[in-house]
Amino acid sequence: ETGVTQSPTHLIKTRGQQVTLRCSSQSGHNTVSWYQQALGQGPQFIFQYYREEENGRGNFPPRFSGLQFPNYSSELNVNALELDDSALYLCASSLAVGLETQYFGPGTRLLVL
Amino acid sequence: GENVEQHPSTLSVQEGDSAVIKCTYSDSASNYFPWYKQELGKGPQLIIDIRSNVGEKKDQRIAVTLNKTAKHFSLHITETQPEDSAVYFCAASIRSSASKIIFGSGTRLSIRP
Repeated sequence: ETGVTQSPTHLIKTRGQQVTLRCSSQSGHNTVSWYQQALGQGPQFIFQYYREEENGRGNFPPRFSGLQFPNYSSELNVNALELDDSALYLCASSLAVGLETQYFGPGTRLLVL
Repeated sequence: GENVEQHPSTLSVQEGDSAVIKCTYSDSASNYFPWYKQELGKGPQLIIDIRSNVGEKKDQRIAVTLNKTAKHFSLHITETQPEDSAVYFCAASIRSSASKIIFGSGTRLSIRP
């Protein structure tokens, strides 16, 4: 069974640029959630995707957007990057929507200069 | 809004001793409480979880307790070992169509040899 994978592992961008992060869910999991983890803090929920549609969103501005593909993989897009967007971005998958247990990938560390 | 508070922020125990981490949650509708372990450079790893219809759950050296009335839950690690050193996060979730997880701020556990 393949776990959650994310790419790239690290990324450096400058303020104002756009970034796309990718996630492949654990085998058989159809629901993907994205979290932002600032240094020294717990992860914060960005949004969740199920059946290629956004299914719940946290307190993040519209410049954070996502996609889910038919194979359940997902992308997180962030436009107009700000310095405060520097963080570890985590993807988590769950077996089905409404099931609480989420399994996390290793994350993508984004640095905005 | 939903909030999870976690204490202590750092904890140092002698190898072989027990470690206890305590959390409180604000939303009485929360019904699922996972605990995650995060090692340096990795994503959070689910180590144990408990649902609101259960007061206690144990898995080898790890146990969790839940007091729904007081909205408290705790993680107990017995016979600590060096590999237990990591950051531990408590979390709370409401089983719904979008099960976002609300995380505590984390406890850095160090095991002294």
